[in-house]
Amino acid sequence: GAGVSQSPSNKVTEKGKDVELRCDPISGHTALYWYRQSLGQGLEFLIYFQGNSAPDKSGLPSDRFSAERTGGSVSTLTIQRTQQEDSAVYLCASSPIQMGGRDIQYFGAGTRLSVL
Amino acid sequence: AQSVTQLDSHVSVSEGTPVLLRCNYSSSYSPSLFWYVQHPNKGLQLLLKYTSAATLVKGINGFEAEFKKSETSFHLTKPSAHMSDAAEYFCVVSEGYGQNFVFGPGTRLSVLP
Repeated sequence: GAGVSQSPSNKVTEKGKDVELRCDPISGHTALYWYRQSLGQGLEFLIYFQGNSAPDKSGLPSDRFSAERTGGSVSTLTIQRTQQEDSAVYLCASSPIQMGGRDIQYFGAGTRLSVL
Repeated sequence: AQSVTQLDSHVSVSEGTPVLLRCNYSSSYSPSLFWYVQHPNKGLQLLLKYTSAATLVKGINGFEAEFKKSETSFHLTKPSAHMSDAAEYFCVVSEGYGQNFVFGPGTRLSVLP
């Protein structure tokens, strides 16, 4: 497809379980971002991948959160031992980061995570 | 460090009247600035971006924004609101290549008939 794809679109899980959220960026985009959007809130930065560089993990809220990006393409965000406060929409975006920077982000539709 | 302030959490206008959504930023460098819109249950969509070219930027759906360095502002405007403009609007700043994007808290626009 032409856009950023996220799966699943909805995930309901029980407290304490682990979940994996997937993001397929636009082909050729070197930068990939994960954000969290809680109900009625703005976007909270989680993690940023740029090419082969070490990811910027400064936004991850705890060590229960981790992400990887395999082969510079697909990314997986993993939340271990989920808590109710993890309930939110998790958004992924990719960007081509052309020379000179300043490029825009293309967002997926998000994964709505509900922790019961 | 970069930051974004959106002064109004909620703006309500009547259909056909002008829209003004305010955004102020803080950045150590010459930033790029963006406005994104999020309709209910939809993904984020770029409205417009400023990247050090013309200070008045025109975007989609009749929106425009003016970069004012002296005021560190990037307010979003539209001459005449349409019902379909009702959505959440986010102002975003980035300091450039390889840097993160910082989102403002958002402004919810309501358009009354």
